[in-house]
Amino acid sequence: GESVGLHLPTLSVQEGDNSIINCAYSNSASDYFIWYKQESGKGPQFIIDIRSNMDKRQGQRVTVLLNKTVKHLSLQIAATQPGDSAVYFCAPVTGNQFYFGTGTSLTVIP
Amino acid sequence: EAGVAQSPRYKIIEKRQSVAFWCNPISGHATLYWYQQILGQGPKLLIQFQNNGVVDDSQLPKDRFSAERLKGVDSTLKIQPAKLEDSAVYLCASSPRTGGNSPLHFGNGTRLTVT
Repeated sequence: GESVGLHLPTLSVQEGDNSIINCAYSNSASDYFIWYKQESGKGPQFIIDIRSNMDKRQGQRVTVLLNKTVKHLSLQIAATQPGDSAVYFCAPVTGNQFYFGTGTSLTVIP
Repeated sequence: EAGVAQSPRYKIIEKRQSVAFWCNPISGHATLYWYQQILGQGPKLLIQFQNNGVVDDSQLPKDRFSAERLKGVDSTLKIQPAKLEDSAVYLCASSPRTGGNSPLHFGNGTRLTVT
């Protein structure tokens, strides 16, 4: 199975600051990793993904870093905005199995 | 493209009653998943379909939960009889390919309250 942990279940940041959300996983066979954002009353929404042959991938205002040696990945959000307030999940994928941790609740303070 | 459609959005039932949820995945997506999300937790897989066949139902409480995807398109998830601990959001997700090579696309879920 897979154990997925997220450091800091809650995170508060000032608007305009950068946010970093961390995730630890346990299964070294995980070869694909996805970050999701879930707003209240909605389903998880895809943000960015990364495959195990990469250690960094950038999107619009978001960057994912993967360290397979220590089984850790992080999501960095640049210039955090109020609309970024949500719960963030990392989902390591092993084969066709997607695992979700408890999530980190991000609150952006105006 | 249209997203994953789920209905109803909300459902309130008494324990021991039955309930059914419906999901229409993104057109052309072969793989369909049902997840249960209890308040404050991450989604937990209940069942995975590949076209109209079950790939993984190891975490489905089969004494009370059932799911089908008869024509390989839309799917229904049923609970009979419901228990208080079934109160949760039931999420449907779909993916265009087999294997974990592309992200899941989620619907907005059905929020079930069992009283």
